[in-house]
Amino acid sequence: DTGVSQDPRHKITKRGQNVTFRCDPISEHNRLYWYRQTLGQGPEFLTYFQNEAQLEKSRLLSDRFSAERPKGSFSTLEIQRTEQGDSAMYLCASSLSVTGVGETQYFGPGTRLLVL
Amino acid sequence: GQNIDQPTEMTATEGAIVQINCTYQTSGFNGLFWYQQHAGEAPTFLSYNVLDGLEEKGRFSSFLSRSKGYSYLLLKELQMKDSASYLCAAVGGASGGSYIPTFGRGTSLIVHP
Repeated sequence: DTGVSQDPRHKITKRGQNVTFRCDPISEHNRLYWYRQTLGQGPEFLTYFQNEAQLEKSRLLSDRFSAERPKGSFSTLEIQRTEQGDSAMYLCASSLSVTGVGETQYFGPGTRLLVL
Repeated sequence: GQNIDQPTEMTATEGAIVQINCTYQTSGFNGLFWYQQHAGEAPTFLSYNVLDGLEEKGRFSSFLSRSKGYSYLLLKELQMKDSASYLCAAVGGASGGSYIPTFGRGTSLIVHP
């Protein structure tokens, strides 16, 4: 088990471009979460999936943000028409849901986005 | 809504003990996590408390008082590698079937020789 992986680790883009990030969770984990973290702040929840179902997306930052997990394994987070304010670390985490309460989330290394 | 409060920065000496406090306000409380995050790296799990009391795990211990909305992380025998940000995260009521943790801003701990 190699843990949660994310790709790319770093992304520099120009304002207005679209970007897509990938997350591969721990293989037996059924839940996958996306967070955004800016400097000096804790992770901010964006959305999560249980298997392929996106169960919470109301906290995505705007309609420019979307996420998919088509086969219940890896997930992608897309940001369309990027803005400088989107510059942040985007973290993915996965967990194995049994009771749903207190499940430990394991984080990937993150994708650091810089929008010029 | 949920509100998490923890100190921004703390400093301590190698070999000493440090206590990082966290207060929270949340509806439907379902536990509190502590994570460690080194600069530029992902958060790593340290502890989870749902019942009142102290849980010890090696050099790290975590305490919870549900009635006071208060937790602390205790680090003993500090080492230089413990210099990191420590994130407190409270789990509130279910949202979409899951219990999403709300993270505090993190406490940056600096350990000096």
